[in-house]
Amino acid sequence: GNSVTQMEGPVTLSEEAFLTINCTYTATGYPSLFWYVQYPGEGLQLLLKATKADDKGSNKGFEATYRKETTSFHLEKGSVQVSDSAVYFCALSNAGGTSYGKLTFGQGTILTVHP
Amino acid sequence: ETGVTQSPTHLIKTRGQQVTLRCSSQSGHNTVSWYQQALGQGPQFIFQYYREEENGRGNFPPRFSGLQFPNYSSELNVNALELDDSALYLCASSPGRYEKLFFGSGTQLSVL
Repeated sequence: GNSVTQMEGPVTLSEEAFLTINCTYTATGYPSLFWYVQYPGEGLQLLLKATKADDKGSNKGFEATYRKETTSFHLEKGSVQVSDSAVYFCALSNAGGTSYGKLTFGQGTILTVHP
Repeated sequence: ETGVTQSPTHLIKTRGQQVTLRCSSQSGHNTVSWYQQALGQGPQFIFQYYREEENGRGNFPPRFSGLQFPNYSSELNVNALELDDSALYLCASSPGRYEKLFFGSGTQLSVL
């Protein structure tokens, strides 16, 4: 079956530090990969996505590259801000095409950024 | 603002009872998915409805059931509640089965 494993958290950084959150996956076929973010008191929001190998998803300064050879989709940001403090979830879907509806999520990584 | 509203925000039930959670989607969103998020875990897919028909189900027992209505609202019903059903239940809608999901803020269910 499908599974997603995220790095152990929580992660605490100072403002302007470099961020990496590791994500690896197990799936059959060619899944689509996603990063979702959950700000305090809010619902999950799609941060970025990649639908095939070597695709790079990017949004709001965050980037992740779909690496099929290492089954990874690590999230990076060059300079984090206090407003980036949230829970980040890596997820995959291989329900067909680019279906976003049937997602398998990792356990989430809590990011706290201090001024 | 995702345009997806869930009610109630919080709910307390006792073991063995039944519960109905509600979700109101954006107009035109004909697909709704439900997820269960236990404390400290990622969401787990329960099922998806497309144009009022179930369109895929995760590893959840039949006591978890759903309905989708023509007015873009939907329900998640759970019978014979167990303590392990305590979790945040998330509704997510989209304008199609292969479109971006819009999540609600969830209903926090506590089973005592």
